[in-house]
This record gives sequence, structure tokens and C-alpha cells, in this order.
Amino acid sequence: AQTVTQSQPEMSVQEAETVTLSCTYDTSENNYYLFWYKQPPSRQMILVIRQEAYKQQNATENRFSVNFQKAAKSFSLKISDSQLGDTAMYFCASSTYNNNDMRFGAGTRLTVKP
Amino acid sequence: DTAVSQTPKYLVTQMGNDKSIKCEQNLGHDTMYWYKQDSKKFLKIMFSYNNKELIINETVPNRFSPKSPDKAHLNLHINSLELGDSAVYFCASSPIPGQGRRETQYFGPGTRLLVL
Repeated sequence: AQTVTQSQPEMSVQEAETVTLSCTYDTSENNYYLFWYKQPPSRQMILVIRQEAYKQQNATENRFSVNFQKAAKSFSLKISDSQLGDTAMYFCASSTYNNNDMRFGAGTRLTVKP
Repeated sequence: DTAVSQTPKYLVTQMGNDKSIKCEQNLGHDTMYWYKQDSKKFLKIMFSYNNKELIINETVPNRFSPKSPDKAHLNLHINSLELGDSAVYFCASSPIPGQGRRETQYFGPGTRLLVL
């Protein structure tokens, strides 16, 4: 079984600043994936970044990067140069290797202030 | 261009009615899913279908039944709707790992269901 915990219900950041969203997880799987999804007010679930657990190198996607600490089961998301369009709910998720069982955290509502 | 589509986007209905939500993906994916997002934004998996085989059935009432006429479609039927069924329902799809495609779930736009 997998569980995902996001301990920050809400966060805010000034435009152009950097913010880090926390996520911890627990899994009995040896191989698994970790994800961050963004859900703006439009409700669409958008993949932000993806990490394969067997890869030690932290994933990066432009302004988005993760700090993956496998031993600590921690998977935080760093957003650099925050933009107004980054305002959204952010969900951390873990998935089994065959991707058939994805579990989500409770989400963090991020507000980017002008 | 639409990857995963759902119809309808909004559904308002009375308690006790039976309704269906349709989902279609044109990504050639092998597995499709249904998720429920409640009013507190908590997202929980309901079903997973792979080659017409149910893989996951979480503690979902049997009033909910997924129907997959083919690999590109996974519809959600709900019988005897209750107030607590009000939520946003998301369809998603993903490829089988190891086929050279990105092993990620792609989500539809969601269907907001309101039961009165």
C-alpha cells in the first residue's frame, strides 16, 4: 500500500521568488514513480514533474525541480521565479511501477502574489 | 488534439436517478482510471481497467460500475445517486510501462456532478 502526505494545506509566495512544497510518502514497492500535478482553477490536472525512484538524479523541468530523498521518503517540489500562473493546487502522488495504482496527497494550495 | 475527454463537463441531477459519465482517450493507452475528487479536493482512485479487466476496485459502493466497450473508452455508470456522490470525477489513462512511452497518467478535464 502507498500513502502520500502533504503537510502544508496552503502556501503563498511573491512573484519571482522561490517556494518549496513538501511531500512525504510511504510505499512497500521497490520500484515506483513520484509525481507532482498542478490543478489550476480550471480544474484540469496537469503533470508538472515526474521522478523514477531508481534514478538518483533529481528531476527538473524548467523552473520546477524536485529534491528526492529516497531514504527519507521525501519528495519536495521547488518552484523558482514564481509566476502568477503558478497559482493552483499542487498534488504530490506516488505510483506503482506498472502505474496501475496512483495515490495522491491532500494537496497544497499555492498562491503567487504580485 | 484532445487526449482524454469526458462528457458531460457538468451534471446536475436528482437523488435516486441513474446517470453515466463517458470517457474517451485517443492516446492508444492500455489502462484507464476513474478518480473522485471531493469538496476538500481530496483525489481518490475508484477504478482501474486494463484490457477490459478490472484491476483496482477501492471501497466504492456497487452503485458505481465502470463499463469499457473498447480500449479507448471507460464509462462510469452510477445508479441510485445520493447526495454524497456530489464531486468532481476524473478519468485518466496511461500506457503499459516499458513500451518506450512515458509512464504517466493523463487526466481528462473532469465532470462536476451535483446531486440535489
